[in-house]
Amino acid sequence: QVQLQQSGPGLVKPSQTLSLTCAISGDSVSSNSAAWNWIRQSPSRGLEWLGRTYYRSKWYNDYAVSVKSRITINPDTSKNQFSLQLNSVTPEDTAVYYCARVIAGKDALDFWGQGTVVTVSS
Amino acid sequence: DIQMTQSPSSLSASVGDRVTITCRASQGISNYLAWYQHKPGKIPQLLIYAASTLQSGVPSRFSGSGSGTDFTLTISSLQPEDVATYYCQKYNSAPYTFGQGTKLEIK
Repeated sequence: QVQLQQSGPGLVKPSQTLSLTCAISGDSVSSNSAAWNWIRQSPSRGLEWLGRTYYRSKWYNDYAVSVKSRITINPDTSKNQFSLQLNSVTPEDTAVYYCARVIAGKDALDFWGQGTVVTVSS
Repeated sequence: DIQMTQSPSSLSASVGDRVTITCRASQGISNYLAWYQHKPGKIPQLLIYAASTLQSGVPSRFSGSGSGTDFTLTISSLQPEDVATYYCQKYNSAPYTFGQGTKLEIK
């Protein structure tokens, strides 16, 4: 059974960097058949896909246009986890952040982390 | 980018009713569409993928249909535990955009 365990601060000051980590068990961040995603949810925007990282002989990333200039998603193969960094945050980035897996053949988000409430406030 | 539009944005129905939610893509996405259920304070759950394939463990009262640009999620007999917000998501190519959500309540 795949499990995703999120960690990171729940409060970030405006203009600073939001950093979250998602630790994977039951699968591998280097899997050739999985992709590792970050999604956020807020009352005003609903669910918003932010981006993904995946390995297919080399590492690839895709990002949502709305955050493309500010986001980085990185794998950490030594710890079997992946991370989200969102720079220059504003109160608009206040949301519940989730990590989630996509597996080839299903191609939808089948396993999710527990969610992290992140508030951007001074 | 392809936009995903759901209707209605909110819906109130009685227990036992048949409920239908629609999702329209601004361009054709074949059957690369998923539906999720999100209850307050819970993790979103995958209901349907490939437009009509039921995820393991999901009750059979849920079904999906459609291809190209028009898709539907149907609950054949609404149950109290189905109160949630439902989202469609396209995944033919990045970005994997969600619809804006449909909030379902019991009348």
